[in-house]
Amino acid sequence: AQKITQTQPGMFVQEKEAVTLDCTYDTSDPSYGLFWYKQPSSGEMIFLIYQGSYDQQNATEGRYSLNFQKARKSANLVISASQLGDSAMYFCAMRERGGADGLTFGKGTHLIIQP
Amino acid sequence: DVKVTQSSRYLVKRTGEKVFLECVQDMDHENMFWYRQDPGLGLRLIYFSYDVKMKEKGDIPEGYSVSREKKERFSLILESASTNQTSMYLCASSEGQNVAQHFGDGTRLSIL
Repeated sequence: AQKITQTQPGMFVQEKEAVTLDCTYDTSDPSYGLFWYKQPSSGEMIFLIYQGSYDQQNATEGRYSLNFQKARKSANLVISASQLGDSAMYFCAMRERGGADGLTFGKGTHLIIQP
Repeated sequence: DVKVTQSSRYLVKRTGEKVFLECVQDMDHENMFWYRQDPGLGLRLIYFSYDVKMKEKGDIPEGYSVSREKKERFSLILESASTNQTSMYLCASSEGQNVAQHFGDGTRLSIL
């Protein structure tokens, strides 16, 4: 079974609209962290936002927020007021067990913002 | 700002060659990672290291080895390159738990 599932291979959104990118995860570890990364066409991976499994509040970073629903094992990324520069691949990732372990990534969602 | 530098942006090698991919980080991070990225598969962890001379296998270590002789440098080695190792390779580092990993710009490796 996949540990991270991103069900939207691609999305087209009008500029200035809000966007929700879906992510569900699977773990039996009570302590874990969830990350979102953005990868523009240039290829670099840009960290956007982090949510810890024990965090009581949803994480926010500027226009990015993470809708964390622990019981549903869901960690959707919300981008408010989308911009053309938001067009990119977006990856959800999870860390389990300990900080030294690597991240497990989903397959990504290709977001295209249309003017 | 954290800087993770990968030695080559593009690399072309032949099957059977020994290939070295180098990664250097400038923030004294303990943890370093190598991933490969393939279309439709996302990123998959090859190896990671949490200290000098320490290494751990990730999800897809077959055909690869790594070396960490200095804290700032983490090398990925393809002992005998094969065409199925054509991919984008990404190096990352982090300073501990529950913090973001910082990625290099990636090396697009083609094995002919």
